[in-house]
Amino acid sequence: QQQVKQSPQSLIVQKGGISIINCAYENTAFDYFPWYQQFPGKGPALLIAIRPDVSEKKEGRFTISFNKSAKQFSLHIMDSQPGDSATYFCAASISDYKLSFGAGTTVTVRA
Amino acid sequence: GAGVSQSPSNKVTEKGKDVELRCDPISGHTALYWYRQRLGQGLEFLIYFQGNSAPDKSGLPSDRFSAERTGESVSTLTIQRTQQEDSAVYLCASSSFGNTIYFGEGSWLTVV
Repeated sequence: QQQVKQSPQSLIVQKGGISIINCAYENTAFDYFPWYQQFPGKGPALLIAIRPDVSEKKEGRFTISFNKSAKQFSLHIMDSQPGDSATYFCAASISDYKLSFGAGTTVTVRA
Repeated sequence: GAGVSQSPSNKVTEKGKDVELRCDPISGHTALYWYRQRLGQGLEFLIYFQGNSAPDKSGLPSDRFSAERTGESVSTLTIQRTQQEDSAVYLCASSSFGNTIYFGEGSWLTVV
C-alpha cells in the first residue's frame, strides 16, 4: 500500500518555465515532508523539506506548498533550467523516521 | 568519508547465489536505512537500524533478505538464493536521529 501518491509520472517543460509536482498522503501522523532530487546513477539528495506548521517554504527557485486539510503538498520549480532535469521524489515520515516515498516524477527541461 | 559509501557499486550474480552488499554510513550517524529501488520506481523501505535498539525489519520482502549492523558503523545486507525479481538498486542511507537522511549512490544488483 503506497502511503504517498505522486503525480505526474513525468513532465517536460521549456527552459524558464515552471515545473509543478503534486503529492498526496493519507497518514495524518506524518509530520515531515521532504523532496529528494535524483540524477541518473546517483543516490537521492535532499532538496527541500517542510513541516506542517507552515504552508509554504521557499529555497531559491524551489518552493514547497503544503495543504494540511487536503493532505497534499507540491513542489514548484521556478525558472526551470536544463540542470534541473532529474527525477524528483516526494516523501513523508513521522519525525524524520522511515521515509515513505512517492513513485517519482521525471522532469525534463528543454533548452 | 564525507558521505555514505556503498560497495560494490555494481554486482551481476547468477540466480540462486547469495550476495552481500555493504554500507559505510557517515561517521557519527546513529540511524541507518536500507531501501530498494526497482528500475523507474520509487524507493521501497527495507530495514532501519537506530543505535543499539532492535532493528525495524518490517520492510524486508522475504526471509531471503537479512541485514546486520556492527554498533553504529558498517552494515551488510545479505540476499540469499537470489531471484530475478531481486534485480534493483539497493540504497543505504544514514542520519543523526531526527535530522536529514543522506543516501549513498547505491549498489546496482543484476540477477541473471
